Amino acid sequence: AQTVTQSQPEMSVQEAETVTLSCTYDTSESDYYLFWYKQPPSRQMILVIRQEAYKQQNATENRFSVNFQKAAKSFSLKISDSQLGDAAMYFCAYRSAERSGYALNFGKGTSLLVTP
Amino acid sequence: ETGVTQTPRHLVMGMTNKKSLKCEQHLGHNAMYWYKQSAKKPLELMFVYNFKEQTENNSVPSRFSPECPNSSHLFLHLHTLQPEDSALYLCASSQVTGYLQPQHFGDGTRLSIL
Repeated sequence: AQTVTQSQPEMSVQEAETVTLSCTYDTSESDYYLFWYKQPPSRQMILVIRQEAYKQQNATENRFSVNFQKAAKSFSLKISDSQLGDAAMYFCAYRSAERSGYALNFGKGTSLLVTP
Repeated sequence: ETGVTQTPRHLVMGMTNKKSLKCEQHLGHNAMYWYKQSAKKPLELMFVYNFKEQTENNSVPSRFSPECPNSSHLFLHLHTLQPEDSALYLCASSQVTGYLQPQHFGDGTRLSIL
């Protein structure tokens, strides 16, 4: 089974600054998809950004971008111009495209604190 | 209003009780999922249903019994639970038209076993 590792249990960033959350994964597959989800204190998980493994170009969604390094099996999330509303748990997730089903494998999460 | 609604939001039950968690999605999706979220652990996939058929059971103990009567509703029936089953139970849904389709999550049911 694929494992997803988020090595930073907690991170802190000042408002308007940039922060990078790390994620690595272990897989022998060549075709897969990667996601970052955000879970605010309200508990609802929300998709932040997604990346197809066969695309070399890094995905970008407004202030959120990823640094996808396929050879290194790394998928970090960069948040620019951090806002107080970015405070949440961030989960990195992996989805295989080579086995049936659409389930996600999640990391343990990184708790992001945004300070004024 | 969330597209995926879970009830109840909180549940406290004894180990001998029987209760059910309910999930309803209003997004027209055809896949539904149950996840267990415990502190300091990754989200654990429990069950997957595609078009009402169970396609994955991630070695979940039989004291958890899922039911999917249609593509919009998913239940998790609970009986004779253990204290370690206390967790946040998240329901999600997605389309099965492509691997890039994101999962949409509900707010979860916080379950506490006495």
